Amino acid sequence: ETGVTQTPRHLVMGMTNKKSLKCEQHLGHNAMYWYKQSAKKPLELMFVYSLEERVENNSVPSRFSPECPNSSHLFLHLHTLQPEDSALYLCASSQERPAGYGYLGEQYFGPGTRLTVT
Amino acid sequence: LAKITQPISMDSYEGQEVNITCSHNNIATNDYITWYQQFPSQGPRFIIQGYKTKVTNEVASLFIPADRKSSTLSLPRVSLSDTAVYYCLVGGGQNFVFGPGTRLSVLP
Repeated sequence: ETGVTQTPRHLVMGMTNKKSLKCEQHLGHNAMYWYKQSAKKPLELMFVYSLEERVENNSVPSRFSPECPNSSHLFLHLHTLQPEDSALYLCASSQERPAGYGYLGEQYFGPGTRLTVT
Repeated sequence: LAKITQPISMDSYEGQEVNITCSHNNIATNDYITWYQQFPSQGPRFIIQGYKTKVTNEVASLFIPADRKSSTLSLPRVSLSDTAVYYCLVGGGQNFVFGPGTRLSVLP
């Protein structure tokens, strides 16, 4: 147990469905992250919420929409996905210092949601 | 952001010391170097972090030369349970990137 939980662990959805992934951290951290991990590809950072501010990532398609209602919860809303979006989606949290410091806190990862788009 | 390269895979035998090198030629002045371990069907797990010279903890050592353009993760006396993918991460704050990962196979 890392203190970061993700639900569901597995999800199969059609291309016209709308679904949401949920992440919750019990560590009191101030930053949360969504990653995509595809087979044979490195971890791809999708979104960051740090010190209650969202860091934009313009390379992520708009069919992925993050939501961070508070520092403990993070959602990833999915709609009209494509088969190539099938992957393991990982959530992580860390304790960060204010902007201007180069320090990168230790990230604690959840077990991931295995998403299959049919 | 730093461009990172790592060997795709490595093999070792139980009890040996394993050194995995990560290249990050354009590392920025404020960037830290972090290593993570990932087992199948799990999220990555923090191993060690450093900025320069040498850092050691109970599971690994991290060697960083003066120019900081590379770093080496050293795992002493590996066991079968160390079979995993090892990722190098370079950056700081909200600007960081993971390397492609090195798949380490420990053989009996």
